[in-house]
Amino acid sequence: AQSVTQLDSQVPVFEEAPVELRCNYSSSVSVYLFWYVQYPNQGLQLLLKYLSGSTLVESINGFEAEFNKSQTSFHLRKPSVHISDTAEYFCAVKGAGGTSYGKLTFGQGTILTVHP
Amino acid sequence: SAVISQKPSRDICQRGTSLTIQCQVDSQVTMMFWYRQQPGQSLTLIATANQGSEATYESGFVIDKFPISRPNLTFSTLTVSNMSPEDSSIYLCSVEGRGQGRIGELFFGEGSRLTVL
Repeated sequence: AQSVTQLDSQVPVFEEAPVELRCNYSSSVSVYLFWYVQYPNQGLQLLLKYLSGSTLVESINGFEAEFNKSQTSFHLRKPSVHISDTAEYFCAVKGAGGTSYGKLTFGQGTILTVHP
Repeated sequence: SAVISQKPSRDICQRGTSLTIQCQVDSQVTMMFWYRQQPGQSLTLIATANQGSEATYESGFVIDKFPISRPNLTFSTLTVSNMSPEDSSIYLCSVEGRGQGRIGELFFGEGSRLTVL
């Protein structure tokens, strides 16, 4: 079984400031890791994911996350945020291999609010 | 990608009643997934709806409380039965992307927000 802890429930920042949303996981097996985002009045959508290979993964809108196996973390970062990044961000984990189709274990979410 | 439509988008229900949520996908999929997001909590998988067979429920969820139908490859329903205020949640339908490179890539509907009084 897996579990996910998002250490901050809310993160307020000013526009153009850097931001880090923290995520730690626990698992007895190898994992795949994900960040999902939910913009106001929209459905959840995938932001980025780590399956294998390079431990640093990027999204098309400037976010990046680094898989750190020793620290069991997958923190999400952006060097300069925009107002439009205001959303709720969910970290999720899935055990690698097996047949647990569609079953992700989600963190409790971090609400990122970008102020002008 | 997949486009998922859910309805109702929100509803206010009385204690003891039941409500059926519908989920329509724009492509044929073998498995559809129902998640619940309770206020201030993370998403939790309720069950997997397989076309042509009984749904598979996760620990803590039972068919009598959350009966699921899956009549074809693009449609599913989730019923929340005999509702209580503790059932007030957002219920989400999702499907998983196809192919090895899309493992864990879930596409979600916009959710159905239920408030039980």
